[in-house]
Amino acid sequence: GAVVSQHPSRVICKSGTSVKIECRSLDFQATTMFWYRQFPKQSLMLMATSNEGSKATYEQGVEKDKFLINHASLTLSTLTVTSAHPEDSSFYICSASGGREPQHFGDGTRLSIL
Amino acid sequence: DAKTTQPTSMDCAEGRAANLPCNHSTISGNEYVYWYRQIHSQGPQYIIHGLKNNETNEMASLIITEDRKSSTLILPHATLRDTAVYYCIVRVRRDTGNQFYFGTGTSLTVIP
Repeated sequence: GAVVSQHPSRVICKSGTSVKIECRSLDFQATTMFWYRQFPKQSLMLMATSNEGSKATYEQGVEKDKFLINHASLTLSTLTVTSAHPEDSSFYICSASGGREPQHFGDGTRLSIL
Repeated sequence: DAKTTQPTSMDCAEGRAANLPCNHSTISGNEYVYWYRQIHSQGPQYIIHGLKNNETNEMASLIITEDRKSSTLILPHATLRDTAVYYCIVRVRRDTGNQFYFGTGTSLTVIP
Protein backbone atom coordinates (compact mmCIF):
# COMPACT_ATOMS: atom_id res chain seq x y z
CA GLY A 1 0.00 0.00 0.00
CA ALA A 2 0.89 3.65 -0.24
CA VAL A 3 3.54 4.78 2.18
CA VAL A 4 4.32 8.15 3.64
CA SER A 5 7.69 8.62 5.27
CA GLN A 6 8.29 11.26 7.91
CA HIS A 7 11.67 12.27 9.22
CA PRO A 8 12.98 12.66 11.86
CA SER A 9 10.88 10.48 14.14
CA ARG A 10 12.09 12.28 17.22
CA VAL A 11 13.97 15.49 17.87
CA ILE A 12 15.09 17.21 21.05
CA CYS A 13 16.48 20.70 20.83
CA LYS A 14 17.05 23.87 22.77
CA SER A 15 14.56 26.68 22.98
CA GLY A 16 15.02 29.23 20.21
CA THR A 17 16.24 26.86 17.53
CA SER A 18 14.37 26.02 14.34
CA VAL A 19 13.43 22.49 13.45
CA LYS A 20 12.60 21.10 10.03
CA ILE A 21 10.43 18.03 9.54
CA GLU A 22 10.21 16.25 6.20
CA CYS A 23 7.26 14.35 4.78
CA ARG A 24 7.63 12.21 1.68
CA SER A 25 5.16 10.16 -0.30
CA LEU A 26 7.09 7.14 -1.48
CA ASP A 27 4.95 5.54 -4.14
CA PHE A 28 2.35 8.04 -5.28
CA GLN A 29 2.20 11.66 -6.29
CA ALA A 30 0.85 13.70 -3.43
CA THR A 31 -0.92 16.70 -4.85
CA THR A 32 -2.00 17.68 -1.36
CA MET A 33 -0.22 17.27 1.94
CA PHE A 34 -1.52 18.02 5.39
CA TRP A 35 0.16 18.80 8.70
CA TYR A 36 -1.38 17.92 12.03
CA ARG A 37 -0.41 18.40 15.65
CA GLN A 38 -1.37 16.08 18.47
CA PHE A 39 -0.97 16.74 22.19
CA PRO A 40 -0.92 13.86 24.68
CA LYS A 41 -4.26 12.06 25.06
CA GLN A 42 -5.86 14.36 22.50
CA SER A 43 -6.99 13.97 18.93
CA LEU A 44 -5.20 15.21 15.83
CA MET A 45 -5.61 18.88 15.04
CA LEU A 46 -5.25 20.02 11.44
CA MET A 47 -2.69 22.81 11.19
CA ALA A 48 -2.44 23.45 7.46
CA THR A 49 -3.06 22.14 3.99
CA SER A 50 -0.48 22.48 1.25
CA ASN A 51 -0.83 21.93 -2.45
CA GLU A 52 2.23 21.37 -4.60
CA GLY A 53 3.60 24.61 -5.94
CA SER A 54 1.33 26.94 -4.00
CA LYS A 55 1.23 28.54 -0.58
CA ALA A 56 -0.11 26.56 2.31
CA THR A 57 -3.53 27.29 3.78
CA TYR A 58 -3.43 27.52 7.55
CA GLU A 59 -6.22 26.72 9.96
CA GLN A 60 -7.50 29.44 12.22
CA GLY A 61 -5.19 30.08 15.15
CA VAL A 62 -2.10 28.56 13.52
CA GLU A 63 0.70 31.09 13.00
CA LYS A 64 2.03 30.86 9.47
CA ASP A 65 5.23 32.68 10.37
CA LYS A 66 5.83 30.19 13.17
CA PHE A 67 5.12 27.07 11.16
CA LEU A 68 6.64 27.41 7.70
CA ILE A 69 5.41 24.91 5.15
CA ASN A 70 6.99 24.21 1.81
CA HIS A 71 5.54 21.79 -0.74
CA ALA A 72 8.04 22.06 -3.55
CA SER A 73 7.39 18.75 -5.28
CA LEU A 74 4.73 16.09 -5.60
CA THR A 75 6.60 13.87 -3.17
CA LEU A 76 7.96 16.21 -0.53
CA SER A 77 6.59 18.70 1.97
CA THR A 78 8.48 20.23 4.86
CA LEU A 79 7.33 21.86 8.07
CA THR A 80 9.76 24.18 9.84
CA VAL A 81 9.00 25.17 13.41
CA THR A 82 10.82 28.49 13.77
CA SER A 83 12.28 29.73 17.04
CA ALA A 84 10.77 26.79 18.87
CA HIS A 85 9.75 27.11 22.51
CA PRO A 86 8.67 24.50 25.07
CA GLU A 87 5.00 25.09 24.29
CA ASP A 88 5.70 23.91 20.72
CA SER A 89 6.59 20.48 22.04
CA SER A 90 4.13 18.06 20.48
CA PHE A 91 3.63 15.14 18.10
CA TYR A 92 3.59 16.44 14.53
CA ILE A 93 2.07 14.22 11.85
CA CYS A 94 1.89 14.69 8.10
CA SER A 95 -0.39 13.05 5.61
CA ALA A 96 -0.54 12.97 1.84
CA SER A 97 -3.24 12.40 -0.71
CA GLY A 98 -3.30 12.32 -4.49
CA GLY A 99 -5.47 10.96 -7.25
CA ARG A 100 -7.79 8.29 -5.87
CA GLU A 101 -5.61 7.58 -2.84
CA PRO A 102 -7.11 8.29 0.59
CA GLN A 103 -5.00 10.28 3.01
CA HIS A 104 -2.00 8.26 4.13
CA PHE A 105 -0.22 9.33 7.28
CA GLY A 106 3.39 9.35 8.29
CA ASP A 107 4.46 7.92 11.63
CA GLY A 108 4.87 11.32 13.19
CA THR A 109 7.68 13.37 14.70
CA ARG A 110 7.89 13.81 18.43
CA LEU A 111 9.32 17.26 19.07
CA SER A 112 10.66 18.13 22.51
CA ILE A 113 11.91 21.64 23.19
CA LEU A 114 14.02 22.08 26.30
CA ASP B 1 -18.59 21.10 8.67
CA ALA B 2 -19.94 17.69 9.53
CA LYS B 3 -19.07 16.64 13.05
CA THR B 4 -18.75 13.10 14.23
CA THR B 5 -19.53 11.72 17.66
CA GLN B 6 -18.25 8.41 18.95
CA PRO B 7 -18.23 6.63 22.30
CA THR B 8 -15.10 7.44 24.23
CA SER B 9 -14.12 3.84 24.87
CA MET B 10 -15.17 0.25 24.24
CA ASP B 11 -14.00 -3.21 25.17
CA CYS B 12 -14.21 -6.30 23.01
CA ALA B 13 -13.29 -9.92 23.69
CA GLU B 14 -10.58 -11.38 21.50
CA GLY B 15 -12.05 -13.30 18.58
CA ARG B 16 -15.40 -11.57 18.76
CA ALA B 17 -16.68 -8.92 16.39
CA ALA B 18 -16.04 -5.33 17.40
CA ASN B 19 -18.79 -2.92 16.36
CA LEU B 20 -17.80 0.73 16.59
CA PRO B 21 -20.62 3.25 16.08
CA CYS B 22 -20.36 6.79 14.77
CA ASN B 23 -22.94 9.54 14.43
CA HIS B 24 -22.56 12.14 11.70
CA SER B 25 -26.04 13.61 11.52
CA THR B 26 -24.96 16.82 9.73
CA ILE B 27 -23.20 15.06 6.87
CA SER B 28 -23.76 16.48 3.40
CA GLY B 29 -24.74 14.44 0.37
CA ASN B 30 -21.30 14.31 -1.21
CA GLU B 31 -19.22 13.86 1.93
CA TYR B 32 -17.51 10.55 2.48
CA VAL B 33 -17.11 8.75 5.80
CA TYR B 34 -13.59 7.54 6.57
CA TRP B 35 -12.29 5.35 9.35
CA TYR B 36 -8.73 5.40 10.61
CA ARG B 37 -7.10 3.94 13.67
CA GLN B 38 -4.11 5.08 15.65
CA ILE B 39 -1.92 2.84 17.72
CA HIS B 40 0.01 4.63 20.42
CA SER B 41 2.77 6.92 19.14
CA GLN B 42 2.16 6.08 15.49
CA GLY B 43 0.43 7.86 12.64
CA PRO B 44 -3.19 7.00 11.84
CA GLN B 45 -3.73 3.96 9.64
CA TYR B 46 -6.37 3.95 6.93
CA ILE B 47 -9.07 1.32 7.40
CA ILE B 48 -11.98 1.92 5.05
CA HIS B 49 -14.24 4.59 3.61
CA GLY B 50 -17.66 4.88 1.99
CA LEU B 51 -20.31 7.23 0.69
CA LYS B 52 -23.68 5.46 0.65
CA ASN B 53 -23.19 1.76 0.18
CA ASN B 54 -21.81 -0.69 2.67
CA GLU B 55 -18.17 -1.47 2.09
CA THR B 56 -15.90 -4.38 2.98
CA ASN B 57 -12.19 -4.93 2.66
CA GLU B 58 -9.60 -7.20 4.21
CA MET B 59 -9.55 -5.19 7.42
CA ALA B 60 -13.16 -4.35 8.17
CA SER B 61 -16.70 -3.69 7.05
CA LEU B 62 -18.44 -0.33 7.01
CA ILE B 63 -22.19 -0.16 7.41
CA ILE B 64 -23.77 3.21 6.58
CA THR B 65 -27.41 3.84 7.42
CA GLU B 66 -29.77 4.72 4.60
CA ASP B 67 -30.12 8.32 5.81
CA ARG B 68 -26.30 8.48 6.14
CA LYS B 69 -26.54 10.00 9.58
CA SER B 70 -24.61 7.22 11.23
CA SER B 71 -22.28 4.36 10.45
CA THR B 72 -20.70 1.35 12.11
CA LEU B 73 -17.24 -0.04 11.64
CA ILE B 74 -17.08 -3.79 12.12
CA LEU B 75 -13.89 -5.69 12.86
CA PRO B 76 -15.13 -9.25 12.33
CA HIS B 77 -12.66 -11.09 14.55
CA ALA B 78 -10.87 -8.73 16.89
CA THR B 79 -7.30 -9.52 17.89
CA LEU B 80 -5.10 -7.96 20.56
CA ARG B 81 -3.35 -5.98 17.83
CA ASP B 82 -6.61 -4.22 17.06
CA THR B 83 -6.37 -2.33 20.34
CA ALA B 84 -6.17 1.30 19.20
CA VAL B 85 -8.05 4.58 18.98
CA TYR B 86 -10.52 4.47 16.09
CA TYR B 87 -11.47 7.70 14.37
CA CYS B 88 -14.60 8.22 12.31
CA ILE B 89 -14.06 11.20 10.01
CA VAL B 90 -16.18 13.02 7.50
CA ARG B 91 -14.13 14.28 4.61
CA VAL B 92 -14.77 17.97 3.97
CA ARG B 93 -14.29 19.30 0.47
CA ARG B 94 -12.49 22.65 0.37
CA ASP B 95 -10.91 24.68 -2.41
CA THR B 96 -7.51 23.57 -1.13
CA GLY B 97 -8.41 19.89 -1.18
CA ASN B 98 -10.30 17.26 0.76
CA GLN B 99 -9.66 17.75 4.46
CA PHE B 100 -10.14 15.63 7.54
CA TYR B 101 -11.21 17.01 10.87
CA PHE B 102 -10.64 14.44 13.57
CA GLY B 103 -13.05 13.97 16.45
CA THR B 104 -12.12 12.44 19.76
CA GLY B 105 -12.32 8.83 18.54
CA THR B 106 -13.11 5.58 20.35
CA SER B 107 -10.43 3.85 22.35
CA LEU B 108 -10.97 0.14 21.67
CA THR B 109 -9.41 -2.37 24.03
CA VAL B 110 -9.41 -5.99 22.93
CA ILE B 111 -9.38 -8.24 25.96
CA PRO B 112 -7.78 -11.70 25.92
